[in-house]
Amino acid sequence: AQSVTQPDIHITVSEGASLELRCNYSYGATPYLFWYVQSPGQGLQLLLKYFSGDTLVQGIKGFEAEFKRSQSSFNLRKPSVHWSDAAEYFCAVGARNTDKLIFGTGTRLQVFP
Amino acid sequence: NAGVTQTPKFRVLKTGQSMTLLCAQDMNHEYMYWYRQDPGMGLRLIHYSVGEGTTAKGEVPDGYNVSRLKKQNFLLGLESAAPSQTSVYFCASSPWALTGSRRVDEQYFGPGTRLTVT
Repeated sequence: AQSVTQPDIHITVSEGASLELRCNYSYGATPYLFWYVQSPGQGLQLLLKYFSGDTLVQGIKGFEAEFKRSQSSFNLRKPSVHWSDAAEYFCAVGARNTDKLIFGTGTRLQVFP
Repeated sequence: NAGVTQTPKFRVLKTGQSMTLLCAQDMNHEYMYWYRQDPGMGLRLIHYSVGEGTTAKGEVPDGYNVSRLKKQNFLLGLESAAPSQTSVYFCASSPWALTGSRRVDEQYFGPGTRLTVT
């Protein structure tokens, strides 16, 4: 069965520290991968997406993610976190000839000054 | 270009009442989706549509109905609301893939509707 796992429910980092949010997927076909961010009381906004090609993907707000097929992972990274990055982050996976995305349960990021 | 809009933003219902949530998009997208978001459970797909006049069940369709009579609108109905339907509801839309194959692309989300059923 297709699934997406975000192992960390809640992460706390200090402002200026580096960040890595984990995402693992289980999918039979070649996956299409997405990271979304949700600020409190808001809808979801796309940070970045991967369909093919270079496995290191750059996104908005200084985020990047790396697709590792051998590990079935698509981890999100940022070298220096800002207080405004505090939000919930969702990983999602889809595939060719499918109509839906499967979302992970999210990771809540808290940033301390 | 308003993107995806949802009406209403907030609603309180009594058990057994009915209501309709409206989602509208102005991006000419083929795909539209309704999700519910509950603490610790992420986003769960209720129903979706791959084009005008089509609907399909998602992961948690029970207690909900949908209609897509116009391409730009996707309605979510609750015929007899229950406290278990207290949630935040999000609508999203997505374009047909550039290659023309039925491949999902980025989904664009509305701001959400917070529904409380007492």
